[in-house]
Amino acid sequence: AQTVTQSQPEMSVQEAETVTLSCTYDTSENNYYLFWYKQPPSRQMILVIRQEAYKQQNATENRFSVNFQKAAKSFSLKISDSQLGDTAMYFCAFRTETTSGTYKYIFGTGTRLKVLA
Amino acid sequence: DTGVSQDPRHKITKRGQNVTFRCDPISEHNRLYWYRQTLGQGPEFLTYFQNEAQLEKSRLLSDRFSAERPKGSFSTLEIQRTEQGDSAMYLCASTAFGRHTQYFGPGTRLTVL
Repeated sequence: AQTVTQSQPEMSVQEAETVTLSCTYDTSENNYYLFWYKQPPSRQMILVIRQEAYKQQNATENRFSVNFQKAAKSFSLKISDSQLGDTAMYFCAFRTETTSGTYKYIFGTGTRLKVLA
Repeated sequence: DTGVSQDPRHKITKRGQNVTFRCDPISEHNRLYWYRQTLGQGPEFLTYFQNEAQLEKSRLLSDRFSAERPKGSFSTLEIQRTEQGDSAMYLCASTAFGRHTQYFGPGTRLTVL
């Protein structure tokens, strides 16, 4: 069964510093998509960054970048120049194709990140 | 494009009552997902629609749960004979055909007393 594991339940970082959130996953598929979503307190979940497994180049979105290690099935998120607005739950997610040819998304348990002033 | 909307945002009900939630996806999105999220956990997949067809259901979706998406537009999720264990945030997400990113609604928080 496909699983997504986030081993850091909580993390904190000083404003303007860099922090890395870890994610590992398990799959036998070769082509898939990985995502990091952010869920601020009492607000809806939004996409932070996406990585296609067939791309070797790590995805980058402004201050957010990933370190995608396909062989190790690792997908970590690096946040540079952390801002107070980055305080949120961060979920790693994996898109898998089902036996019926549809897609479903599997989420990790999340990492609660707190940015300290 | 006003994003994914969900109604109501909060629902408090007594055990044994029926509740219904509504999700309005982004207008051009033909794929719609329902998730359940309990405190401190990530979203758990419940069911998936492509247009009006319900193509995938999780084993989490007991026979007390039913979902519909008439005409492939909005969707409803009904829970019959609610139990305290049903207390959770129910999230809806939509995706455009050929795309891979889900867009989430704000969720409906259900509390069963």
